[in-house]
Amino acid sequence: LAKTTQPISMDSYEGQEVNITCSHNNIATNDYITWYQQFPSQGPRFIIQGYKTKVTNEVASLFIPADRKSSTLSLPRVSLSDTAVYYCLVGDRRSNNDMRFGAGTRLTVKP
Amino acid sequence: GAVVSQHPSRVICKSGTSVKIECRSLDFQATTMFWYRQFPKKSLMLMATSNEGSKATYEQGVEKDKFLINHASLTLSTLTVTSAHPEDSSFYICSARGSATSYEQYFGPGTRLTVT
Repeated sequence: LAKTTQPISMDSYEGQEVNITCSHNNIATNDYITWYQQFPSQGPRFIIQGYKTKVTNEVASLFIPADRKSSTLSLPRVSLSDTAVYYCLVGDRRSNNDMRFGAGTRLTVKP
Repeated sequence: GAVVSQHPSRVICKSGTSVKIECRSLDFQATTMFWYRQFPKKSLMLMATSNEGSKATYEQGVEKDKFLINHASLTLSTLTVTSAHPEDSSFYICSARGSATSYEQYFGPGTRLTVT
């Protein structure tokens, strides 16, 4: 199971682009990278998932270099409502070994 | 996306009593469900994995006789905290996944348990 390392916290301002990087040096061939967002007293919410290169959806982009030992979640033009904890999970979803959360990154967006 | 519900959303119980928390997948069949607990300002800690019709697999350090998990159908899993104590007070979150969700896991809204 690939262990992940993320910055504990980050601060940003409204309208800025925020990039949160996750290190996963021991990622395995069948592992996917998934990012979740969690607000206080709520369950995590899926943001984006990828295997390699770049993935983009309506809320974020995920950049994964060729060696896949890290990944970067990019949030364009953040707003105050993006203040939350962001978690990066790595694992083989078919084997259910992508279920363990790391410490996450607490993002605070300021006005 | 797929929806997972939990009931109750919050519960207060007295020490020594048991509490049951339900987790339901509303629009998909969940072959696997997961239970987490989360303390304030901490990350989610996986407690156990349950597959429909079979016994749950507990993480190391989680007492299976204290946290009873039943995954009786493809849409329902229950977590029963037996003989609850104040230290069991926590935020309990379930998640579910299935082939219909392309193995993505979807989380419930969580249950706040307070043991007095």
